[in-house]
Amino acid sequence: DQQVKQNSPSLSVQEGRISILNCDYTNSMFDYFLWYKKYPAEGPTFLISISSIKDKNEDGRFTVFLNKSAKHLSLHIVPSQPGDSAVYFCAAVIQGAQKLVFGQGTRLTINP
Amino acid sequence: NAGVTQTPKFRVLKTGQSMTLLCAQDMNHEYMYWYRQDPGMGLRLIHYSVGEGTTAKGEVPDGYNVSRLKKQNFLLGLESAAPSQTSVYFCAIGQGSSYTFGSGTRLTVV
Repeated sequence: DQQVKQNSPSLSVQEGRISILNCDYTNSMFDYFLWYKKYPAEGPTFLISISSIKDKNEDGRFTVFLNKSAKHLSLHIVPSQPGDSAVYFCAAVIQGAQKLVFGQGTRLTINP
Repeated sequence: NAGVTQTPKFRVLKTGQSMTLLCAQDMNHEYMYWYRQDPGMGLRLIHYSVGEGTTAKGEVPDGYNVSRLKKQNFLLGLESAAPSQTSVYFCAIGQGSSYTFGSGTRLTVV
């Protein structure tokens, strides 16, 4: 039972363009949604989060949008840079449970 | 990944051998977690702890045991390693909307 799904295993974007990574979820009890970035041989690093009571959160080049009615969130990166090439994980926290549930990840490649 | 240290970084085990992975934190956090990462499956929760002396099962606990004798340390044990436990293991601390991960332990069981 995959509660958090990232249906695109990979995405390739040209440098300078917008990257849009998508995530769908099934559990209405999720409290927070987080995006993590992961380079090879390193642990996931926190990128940006959004509370379930918000519909948008922005931090520099990164913006996360939450559509609760569709149970969908997306991460926008603009402009995309070569250093953004990594695996991106969507994760969610269940109310009161204090543990992260992860999606499968999307490998983002930024082409020069 | 300051604050969360995992040892060892790499290990090769033979089937049936045992080992312990150590996670140490210097951030005095109550909550600690062990995840495994496998290709195409994201990170899956093995066990977690909500404080010293407590442990609880996560999504994929079978074949693993854990202990939290000291607040700063969370140990993950494999009593009899199997090839299916070949994975990258990550320790994490945190709660709510803030979690910090260690750099991982790559374990191969042959």
